[in-house]
Amino acid sequence: DAGVIQSPRHEVTEMGQEVTLRCKPISGHNSLFWYRQTMMRGLELLIYFNNNVPIDDSGMPEDRFSAKMPNASFSTLKIQPSEPRDSAVYFCASSFAGAGELFFGEGSRLTVL
Amino acid sequence: KNEVEQSPQNLTAQEGEFITINCSYSVGISALHWLQQHPGGGIVSLFMLSSGKKKHGRLIATINIQEKHSSLHITASHPRDSAVYICAVWFNNDMRFGAGTRLTVKP
Repeated sequence: DAGVIQSPRHEVTEMGQEVTLRCKPISGHNSLFWYRQTMMRGLELLIYFNNNVPIDDSGMPEDRFSAKMPNASFSTLKIQPSEPRDSAVYFCASSFAGAGELFFGEGSRLTVL
Repeated sequence: KNEVEQSPQNLTAQEGEFITINCSYSVGISALHWLQQHPGGGIVSLFMLSSGKKKHGRLIATINIQEKHSSLHITASHPRDSAVYICAVWFNNDMRFGAGTRLTVKP
């Protein structure tokens, strides 16, 4: 299995632009997680899905952030409009069952100028 | 208030030493994860625990639910163990992370 695949690996954009991060979970996993990691705040859970349904989005910073999982093999995290404070590494992870072992993607490093 | 506290924040050891990293939490949890993040930034899940003890190679993880405490042990440490180790807990459909322990193992 190829593992969790995230794209893009690096994104540099200007403030106000829309950013879309993508994630393909491991086939057969039914839980998908989006995390953000910054130097100041460390790792934070933004949102997670069970069977494509969002379970908890209380970690989503504000309305500028949205996440979708239209099917079992694809999820997006969108930031619109982006701001410099959104600069971070965004990780996607998947698991079989919500609290099972996590498998992480390599992360998407976002820089908002 | 941080629900998850790790200690120490930084740890330097000589190759071959026995390492212990501690994680204390203040909430009732359903599971606890130990994660490893290498200098390149990638994150690997080492263990997922809800009770007792697990062992994988030179790594051992224990959890005491009553005391709300978990430890990660590394036996015969090696420079390739140098990484940041992160404790994470599940509670109330949410996941909270410790700040991480940066381990450096010198040859």
